[in-house]
Amino acid sequence: GENVEQHPSTLSVQEGDSAVIKCTYSDSASNYFPWYKQELGKRPQLIIDIRSNVGEKKDQRIAVTLNKTAKHFSLHITETQPEDSAVYFCAASRLSRDDKIIFGKGTRLHILP
Amino acid sequence: NAGVTQTPKFQVLKTGQSMTLQCAQDMNHEYMSWYRQDPGMGLRLIHYSVGAGITDQGEVPNGYNVSRSTTEDFPLRLLSAAPSQTSVYFCASSYFQGGTEAFFGQGTRLTVV
Repeated sequence: GENVEQHPSTLSVQEGDSAVIKCTYSDSASNYFPWYKQELGKRPQLIIDIRSNVGEKKDQRIAVTLNKTAKHFSLHITETQPEDSAVYFCAASRLSRDDKIIFGKGTRLHILP
Repeated sequence: NAGVTQTPKFQVLKTGQSMTLQCAQDMNHEYMSWYRQDPGMGLRLIHYSVGAGITDQGEVPNGYNVSRSTTEDFPLRLLSAAPSQTSVYFCASSYFQGGTEAFFGQGTRLTVV
């Protein structure tokens, strides 16, 4: 079945440095790739998403890149801040009302002072 | 808009007891789903519904029942609680199953003793 692999499971970066989280997917028909952030004790919330007709999307310090040929996509956070500490989930689905969304297992990001 | 409202926030059950986790959304979303979140396991889909009167099993359905009598409500029933069901449960809704943002409830931390 469809699968989304996410790496690393834990990531520690110095405040101000960049963080990169990578995901690969198995369903070549997937064309919608959202990223969710879950702060400690809170619910997951969408922070950015990308559709397969674009290779990169940016929103302030956050960017997502997509390589459809290799079936992988990545989340990039620049100039990391303490409030970026959280668990991040990638996901993949088709742009179809009936297709399931598959989540990765999550990456716990620690921002070190 | 309240978004997705999930109750209770915390619950302790004894083995063998039954209970219902409530989930309601006021965004007129077609798609609703239940996930459980365990350390290192990410978000695992329990059951989902693509509309009133329609439900289906996800990845880990055993021990849980759902129903969807209205667009707004999607309760999750634990039939006979077991310690393995100790977890954090999230309800989510979205316009469609695939390709749209998922809105999560606040979560229920369930402990079965």
